[in-house]
Amino acid sequence: GIQVEQSPPDLILQEGANSTLRCNFSDSVNNLQWFHQNPWGQLINLFYIPSGTKQNGRLSATTVATERYSLLYISSSQTTDSGVYFCAVELYNQGGKLIFGQGTELSVKP
Amino acid sequence: KAGVTQTPRYLIKTRGQQVTLSCSPISGHRSVSWYQQTPGQGLQFLFEYFSETQRNKGNFPGRFSGRQFSNSRSEMNVSTLELGDSALYLCASSLLAGGSSGNTIYFGEGSWLTVV
Repeated sequence: GIQVEQSPPDLILQEGANSTLRCNFSDSVNNLQWFHQNPWGQLINLFYIPSGTKQNGRLSATTVATERYSLLYISSSQTTDSGVYFCAVELYNQGGKLIFGQGTELSVKP
Repeated sequence: KAGVTQTPRYLIKTRGQQVTLSCSPISGHRSVSWYQQTPGQGLQFLFEYFSETQRNKGNFPGRFSGRQFSNSRSEMNVSTLELGDSALYLCASSLLAGGSSGNTIYFGEGSWLTVV
């Protein structure tokens, strides 16, 4: 089956720093989304980005589908950015089933 | 508008019992899917429903079942609970059926199940 690998697994930043999270996937995908899981467990949708680049405030994401990777950029990090970031992909022949990476746990220190 | 609502948020059950979890999708959304999250296995897909039909099912035993009602609300049931079923169960909704282009998926806050 498809492999979804995220790196790094853990990241500690000082408030104000920038970071890049990476998601590699081993097969062509129909859909790719980035989520942030807050301390209460809820997964917050950040980007729907099967290809191209999108920006939302301090966050931006780029997916290069032909090379099977996606990047999530966080600029000027804040303590509220702490939590676990997941990428999830959906295969063409398995619509409705998201396959998640293991996540990157981000801790932003004041 | 209201997000995805899951009830109950927290529950404790005894081995061998059964549990039913409920999910109300975002208004207008017709697709509901369920995921299990554990520290060891991460996030794993359980099943997806669209217009009351199960379209896709993950690799879980038959003790895990679900259904969707005509108002798009969904329930999942786990029978004969085992200790390993302790997990965060997350429900997600989307406007379109899974696999549709542009189909953003939104998650609820989850139901924390502890089996003792």
